[in-house]
Amino acid sequence: DTAVSQTPKYLVTQMGNDKSIKCEQNLGHDTMYWYKQDSKKFLKIMFSYNNKELIINETVPNRFSPKSPDKAHLNLHINSLELGDSAVYFCASSQAGTGGTGELFFGEGSRLTVL
Amino acid sequence: AQSVTQLGSHVSVSEGALVLLRCNYSSSVPPYLFWYVQYPNQGLQLLLKYTSAATLVKGINGFEAEFKKSETSFHLTKPSAHMSDAAEYFCAVDSGGGADGLTFGKGTHLIIQP
Repeated sequence: DTAVSQTPKYLVTQMGNDKSIKCEQNLGHDTMYWYKQDSKKFLKIMFSYNNKELIINETVPNRFSPKSPDKAHLNLHINSLELGDSAVYFCASSQAGTGGTGELFFGEGSRLTVL
Repeated sequence: AQSVTQLGSHVSVSEGALVLLRCNYSSSVPPYLFWYVQYPNQGLQLLLKYTSAATLVKGINGFEAEFKKSETSFHLTKPSAHMSDAAEYFCAVDSGGGADGLTFGKGTHLIIQP
């Protein structure tokens, strides 16, 4: 049973379209994240949620809108896709806060290609 | 703010040789430090972590890392490289709890020569 699962694994779409990526974790963690990995493999945090509450919202265009219906799910919706949005998007979870070491558990990634 | 620097975007070693991947950190508080490995087309997998217990940390697949406060370093080593070790390796730092996530280094691509 996969701990952090995200779908779809691959998305290929045209500029201007809207797309969503879904993420679910069965680890019972309180905190979930979206990271973006660019073509040079650099990983940068985009958002974090703790118990459905937005904690971190880095300087990400407002075309990106996360949504957490419950603490086990964190989705990412992207409007009006641009070429520069092409990347691999990773969902992760952790038991952050008191007693937590901050260790992240990652999904397998969703590779977005914008044509 | 905490950060990590990984020296060398690419490291090439022969099979059976010592692997040494360098990581230096910058943190205003005692850090938690991590090494992750990413195989092609996969997510990141934890190799090992330092959480202020023993300074020499052993991880999976024969890797270990030593926390050296005086050098602000957390270098990753493996005595004998195997072809299956070829991957991208990331050092990361956490300031110690909270929902801020981890800050990652730029990664080191490890190449194993036969």
